[in-house]
Amino acid sequence: KAGVTQTPRYLIKTRGQQVTLSCSPISGHRSVSWYQQTPGQGLQFLFEYFSETQRNKGNFPGRFSGRQFSNSRSEMNVSTLELGDSALYLCASSSRTHAYEQYFGPGTRLTVT
Amino acid sequence: GQQLNQSPQSMFIQEGEDVSMNCTSSSIFNTWLWYKQEPGEGPVLLIALYKAGELTSNGRLTAQFGITRKDSFLNISASIPSDVGIYFCAGQSGNQFYFGTGTSLTVIP
Repeated sequence: KAGVTQTPRYLIKTRGQQVTLSCSPISGHRSVSWYQQTPGQGLQFLFEYFSETQRNKGNFPGRFSGRQFSNSRSEMNVSTLELGDSALYLCASSSRTHAYEQYFGPGTRLTVT
Repeated sequence: GQQLNQSPQSMFIQEGEDVSMNCTSSSIFNTWLWYKQEPGEGPVLLIALYKAGELTSNGRLTAQFGITRKDSFLNISASIPSDVGIYFCAGQSGNQFYFGTGTSLTVIP
């Protein structure tokens, strides 16, 4: 079974731009969560999607948004990028039967200059 | 948000030694998980714990869900060089997961 895939793996953007990151969960997994990882703040929860609906949201500004498609693939968007948005963005998926066992993708390294 | 205190922050050990790290919280969690992350990769799930007092092993790794539901520990026996990485604990409460700050493990051959 293929793991969680994320594209792109690396991205460099300029302040003020917007960015869209993509995540394909493990086949059969319908829950997708997004996290931001930085050296200073560690792993922080952004949001979770299940069956195309946002089920939970962390404490991030509205510039961070996401969506999930009918095939469970998910995208997250960050608008009006700030320097502090530079981070590793991780996506994790889980199955209905083992909802609390999250499997992470390799992440997208976003650098904002 | 809920804070998970993970200790130690870093460890430097000789190959063959046993390793112990733990995670404590001021809040109760329903599930504890342990992950390992290597440079340039996402965290990999090592062990999931679902009941207070539960002790679970995965090869040389053993983890326990504390009786109070506010703590968990991970032991690695007979460490080898490929154990190098950052180990994270995570606690689940409701629909959210909270992660510890990580323990960086270096194994000296």
